[in-house]
Amino acid sequence: AQKVTQAQTEISVVEKEDVTLDCVYETRDTTYYLFWYKQPPSGELVFLIRRNSFDEQNEISGRYSWNFQKSTSSFNFTITASQVVDSAVYFCALSGGRNTGGFTIFGAGTRLFVKA
Amino acid sequence: NAGVTQTPKFRILKIGQSMTLQCTQDMNHNYMYWYRQDPGMGLKLIYYSVGAGITDKGEVPNGYNVSRSTTEDFPLRLELAAPSQTSVYFCASSYWTGIHQPQHFGDGTRLSIL
Repeated sequence: AQKVTQAQTEISVVEKEDVTLDCVYETRDTTYYLFWYKQPPSGELVFLIRRNSFDEQNEISGRYSWNFQKSTSSFNFTITASQVVDSAVYFCALSGGRNTGGFTIFGAGTRLFVKA
Repeated sequence: NAGVTQTPKFRILKIGQSMTLQCTQDMNHNYMYWYRQDPGMGLKLIYYSVGAGITDKGEVPNGYNVSRSTTEDFPLRLELAAPSQTSVYFCASSYWTGIHQPQHFGDGTRLSIL
């Protein structure tokens, strides 16, 4: 069975601090996909990044970076020099290969508060 | 380009009533999904579809039904509304290009059962 664990329920930081959001997953699929989505206070869901199980390359996009490690089944998300606009709930999600029809499991989310 | 459109945005139902949540997408995506998000929680998959005429159960399908007669539309039906179905419902779509592309979400339907 698939499972996504985001152990941090809430994190509070002061602006300009770095913050890392943890995501640990479980799957028996050899092909799978990992995603991060952002849900700001307005409620919409915004895609941030996708990672394929066969691509462990880490990625950096501006102040955002992602660390994918298959050995520890983790896909962590770091925000460098956080800003108030980063305040949101962040979800990690896992889907299987095509034979699973894109069945997607979301973690419970981490609520990030960035204080000015 | 509207993306994923959900209607209505808000609805209050009485226990035992039925209703259909509408979802349509104009991106020609083959995969569509319905999720519910309870307060302070993550998204739970209710039903999904890999194409017209094909649907399958997600994590929490009880109390719901879906159909997919066209690529664009994926309505969610509540037959006998119960207070436990009070939630925010999100519809999403995606497609495969040899890999699973990210899901595009609608703005959600906030449903209260009283």
